[in-house]
Amino acid sequence: AQSVTQLDSQVPVFEEAPVELRCNYSSSVSVYLFWYVQYPNQGLQLLLKYLSGSTLVKGINGFEAEFNKSQTSFHLRKPSVHISDTAEYFCAVRPFMTSGTYKYIFGTGTRLKVLA
Amino acid sequence: NAGVTQTPKFQVLKTGQSMTLQCAQDMNHNSMYWYRQDPGMGLRLIYYSASEGTTDKGEVPNGYNVSRLNKREFSLRLESAAPSQTSVYFCASSEALGRAYEQYFGPGTRLTVT
Repeated sequence: AQSVTQLDSQVPVFEEAPVELRCNYSSSVSVYLFWYVQYPNQGLQLLLKYLSGSTLVKGINGFEAEFNKSQTSFHLRKPSVHISDTAEYFCAVRPFMTSGTYKYIFGTGTRLKVLA
Repeated sequence: NAGVTQTPKFQVLKTGQSMTLQCAQDMNHNSMYWYRQDPGMGLRLIYYSASEGTTDKGEVPNGYNVSRLNKREFSLRLESAAPSQTSVYFCASSEALGRAYEQYFGPGTRLTVT
């Protein structure tokens, strides 16, 4: 079984400051990792994903994340945030499987509030 | 290409009423999912369908039923709505087994049960 922990439920940050949103996961098998963003009153859309290869993954809107297998973490970063980045961010994992059914496991979300 | 569509966008029900939430995707995806989103709890999986003709329970299936009508459509039914089912419901789809594709989400249905 897998689990995902997003320790910070809310993160306030000033515009143009850097931000890091933390995600830790637990799994007995290899996983794929995802970050999704949800703007107010909308569905979720993919920011970035880690499948394999380079541990530094770049996504849309200037976001990037680093996969750390030893620490089972996949933290999301942006060097300079904008007001428009205000949203809720979800970390998710999916087990690597080649047969059987699979599910995506989501964290509880981090609400990023960018202040002017 | 509309992606994942959901109807209705909003719904208010009285306790005990029934309704069906509709979901359709036009990406030829095999797998489809129903989640509910409640404040502070993230997304919780209600039911999923790995392929046409199959459905499986997720984390919170009680009070719900699903139908995978065909490859495109996956509906969620509340037979007797309860206030605890007040939530935002999201449908999602993803590619076939073995491929590490992300999920694509619909815009959601905001349901209030009074």
